[in-house]
Amino acid sequence: AQSVTQPDIHITVSEGASLELRCNYSYGATPYLFWYVQSPGQGLQLLLKYFSGDTLVQGIKGFEAEFKRSQSSFNLRKPSVHWSDAAEYFCAVGEESGGGADGLTFGKGTHLIIQP
Amino acid sequence: AAGVIQSPRHLIKEKRETATLKCYPIPRHDTVYWYQQGPGQDPQFLISFYEKMQSDKGSIPDRFSAQQFSDYHSELNMSSLELGDSALYFCASSTRRGPLYEQYFGPGTRLTVT
Repeated sequence: AQSVTQPDIHITVSEGASLELRCNYSYGATPYLFWYVQSPGQGLQLLLKYFSGDTLVQGIKGFEAEFKRSQSSFNLRKPSVHWSDAAEYFCAVGEESGGGADGLTFGKGTHLIIQP
Repeated sequence: AAGVIQSPRHLIKEKRETATLKCYPIPRHDTVYWYQQGPGQDPQFLISFYEKMQSDKGSIPDRFSAQQFSDYHSELNMSSLELGDSALYFCASSTRRGPLYEQYFGPGTRLTVT
């Protein structure tokens, strides 16, 4: 069974500093990987995704993530955070079956706090 | 751009009552997913439908059922509600004609069971 681990429950970063959120997955084949962001009481917004090809993917809001098969990781990065980036970040993995996509498996999430 | 629509946005029910949540996918999306997110928890996949057929099943309780209709909207029916069913319920949609694994989430329905 696939699983996703986000080792950091909370991360505090100063505004303007760089950010890296960790994500490790467990999956037998090539996974389909995602990062979602959720503001309090809101829905999930897709930041970026990895299906295949270039292992460094660019997303919205200045985020990027790098797929490293050897480390089973898909860490999210941003060079300079803004106060509006404070939110909950979820890493998720999906797989294909029967020609379609199954439900996603999410990590427990990382709560990002931005210090002024 | 049109997004996933969920109704109602908020719902309060008592124990043992029933609830019906509705999801209207993005136009031309053919697949609908349901997720449950408890307080402070990660979203848990419940069930999905493609072209009105159940596509995948996750941790959906037997008290819950769902279906997808000919216009692709979906309903999640929840019976004999328990306090533990209080959660945010998300619907997501995608299309097999596009990026297969790109699920777009709705704003969610917050269900409170008292």
